[in-house]
Amino acid sequence: AQSVTQPDIHITVSEGASLELRCNYSYGATPYLFWYVQSPGQGLQLLLKYFSGDTLVQGIKGFEAEFKRSQSSFNLRKPSVHWSDAAEYFCAVGGFQKLVFGTGTRLLVSP
Amino acid sequence: DTGVSQDPRHKITKRGQNVTFRCDPISEHNRLYWYRQTLGQGPEFLTYFQNEAQLEKSRLLSDRFSAERPKGSFSTLEIQRTEQGDSAMYLCASSLGGGAATNEKLFFGSGTQLSVL
Repeated sequence: AQSVTQPDIHITVSEGASLELRCNYSYGATPYLFWYVQSPGQGLQLLLKYFSGDTLVQGIKGFEAEFKRSQSSFNLRKPSVHWSDAAEYFCAVGGFQKLVFGTGTRLLVSP
Repeated sequence: DTGVSQDPRHKITKRGQNVTFRCDPISEHNRLYWYRQTLGQGPEFLTYFQNEAQLEKSRLLSDRFSAERPKGSFSTLEIQRTEQGDSAMYLCASSLGGGAATNEKLFFGSGTQLSVL
């Protein structure tokens, strides 16, 4: 069965510091992997996706993620966090017709 | 592109009542999805339409739930005899499918927050 684990419920990062959000997945075949961001009162917005090829994928808003098959991981990174990045971040696996989401990581940005 | 619209934004109902939510996808999008998100959890897949055909339903979608997309445009999700466990955010998403999977992108609405008292 497909599943996604986001081990960190909350993370606090100082503005301007780097960020890494962890995601581990379980999937029977080569996975399609996604990161979404959800701000209060907003819909989920796609940050980036991995289907195949280069294991380092670039997304919007300066985010990137690296697919590591040996570790079943797809961690999200950003070199310098802005206060506007405070939100909930979800990792997801599967095809578009049926995404399986993790429980999310809430990012807090301190001044 | 006006985005995916969901109505209402909030719904408070008493246990045992029926409720109906509406989703208007982005025009021209042939695929429409419903997800449910409870507090502290990620969204969970409920069902998926391609045009007017409902192609997949989750086991989460009990017989009290029914979804329709009669003309392949807007969709409704009805919950009959609501229970307190139905309290959640109901999210709708749409996409333009049929081409390369790598180009497909889901657009989510802001959701309908249901509270069952």
